Amino acid sequence: NAGVTQTPKFRVLKTGQSMTLLCAQDMNHEYMYWYRQDPGMGLRLIHYSVGEGTTAKGEVPDGYNVSRLKKQNFLLGLESAAPSQTSVYFCASRGQVSETQYFGPGTRLLVL
Amino acid sequence: DQQVKQNSPSLSVQEGRISILNCDYTNSMFDYFLWYKKYPAEGPTFLISISSIKDKNEDGRFTVFLNKSAKHLSLHIVPSQPGDSAVYFCAASAGGNAGNMLTFGGGTRLMVKP
Repeated sequence: NAGVTQTPKFRVLKTGQSMTLLCAQDMNHEYMYWYRQDPGMGLRLIHYSVGEGTTAKGEVPDGYNVSRLKKQNFLLGLESAAPSQTSVYFCASRGQVSETQYFGPGTRLLVL
Repeated sequence: DQQVKQNSPSLSVQEGRISILNCDYTNSMFDYFLWYKKYPAEGPTFLISISSIKDKNEDGRFTVFLNKSAKHLSLHIVPSQPGDSAVYFCAASAGGNAGNMLTFGGGTRLMVKP
């Protein structure tokens, strides 16, 4: 039982490049979330999903897209990376009953 | 406009003493509050939570207090241990919001000195 896993752990991109971050959970959770963490700003919600095939915008969605084709996976895409997207990205999931979200270990992204 | 604020970016405490971390919120619709702990290079891990129908919740060395009239909550750690050194985030949820989203504070870095 791995919980929430994220790949890759670290990535360096050049401005304008694209990439996809993968989140996987093995807890059969309905809800999944993508956050970014920047110094002094806590975690800010980018996009979230309330179930397979659904996605919705969070607080800071611009420049990102997401897909939830399978219940266990939630993908975060950057179509054209910008230096402002340099951050640490965390994925989280939760079940329908509990309020608690469980987080992955994070992906550190550097955009040059 | 931050709806959840942790006004102390850092806190230093001696081992064995009490650590008190504070959190203020502005949205009166928040009805569930959580504390997460985060070590460097790891994801946040859930620590303790409290519903708005309570004013206190205790779990071992950790106690969370909620003052709804002041829109304030605090996390008490007694006694503090060096392993408690981490960044602590408070988070809040408004019941019934689509996706049950959490709103996080900016975090407080706790350093417990041996």
